[in-house]
Amino acid sequence: EDQVTQSPEALRLQEGESSSLNCSYTVSGLRGLFWYRQDPGKGPEFLFTLYSAGEEKEKERLKATLTKKESFLHITAPKPEDSATYLCAVQAAGGNKLVFGAGTILRVKS
Amino acid sequence: ETGVTQSPTHLIKTRGQQVTLRCSSQSGHNTVSWYQQALGQGPQFIFQYYREEENGRGNFPPRFSGLQFPNYSSELNVNALELDDSALYLCASSLGGSDHEQYFGPGTRLTVT
Repeated sequence: EDQVTQSPEALRLQEGESSSLNCSYTVSGLRGLFWYRQDPGKGPEFLFTLYSAGEEKEKERLKATLTKKESFLHITAPKPEDSATYLCAVQAAGGNKLVFGAGTILRVKS
Repeated sequence: ETGVTQSPTHLIKTRGQQVTLRCSSQSGHNTVSWYQQALGQGPQFIFQYYREEENGRGNFPPRFSGLQFPNYSSELNVNALELDDSALYLCASSLGGSDHEQYFGPGTRLTVT
């Protein structure tokens, strides 16, 4: 069964304090790994798709990387507006559903 | 380009009642997936519709059913509501079945009392 585990559950950072979120996964053939951002009471906002080990993608202060067993979301010099829950999901090859982790709640204080 | 929209925003129902939630997909998208998100958890896949046909289903009982219309909008119907059905219901649209990114709507918050 496909499974996603995210750590830590919650992370508090000072503005400008860089850190990383972890997403460990098991999947029967990976089609893609997805990162989403979710603000309270709203739907997830698409950030990145990674398809193969070694791939990296960047957007503003965020950088996502992928290995065969895990993905990292690196946040460089975060700002308070980066505060949100970050969700990781995998899609198996030939499958149509996203399997999500429980998310990491990020709080950035000024 | 219009994003994914859902209605209503919030809904309160009594146990045993039935509910219908609606979703309009992003312009040009022909695939709609529905997810249930309980508080503090990640979304869980309910089912997907592609070109008006069910294209995969998660571990949800038959009282969760859906439809997709020719304009690719979709409905989620839940019969015999239970207290545990209280959750945020999310609709996601994508292009071309399962091979493309899924873009989520704002969700419908359902409370069952």
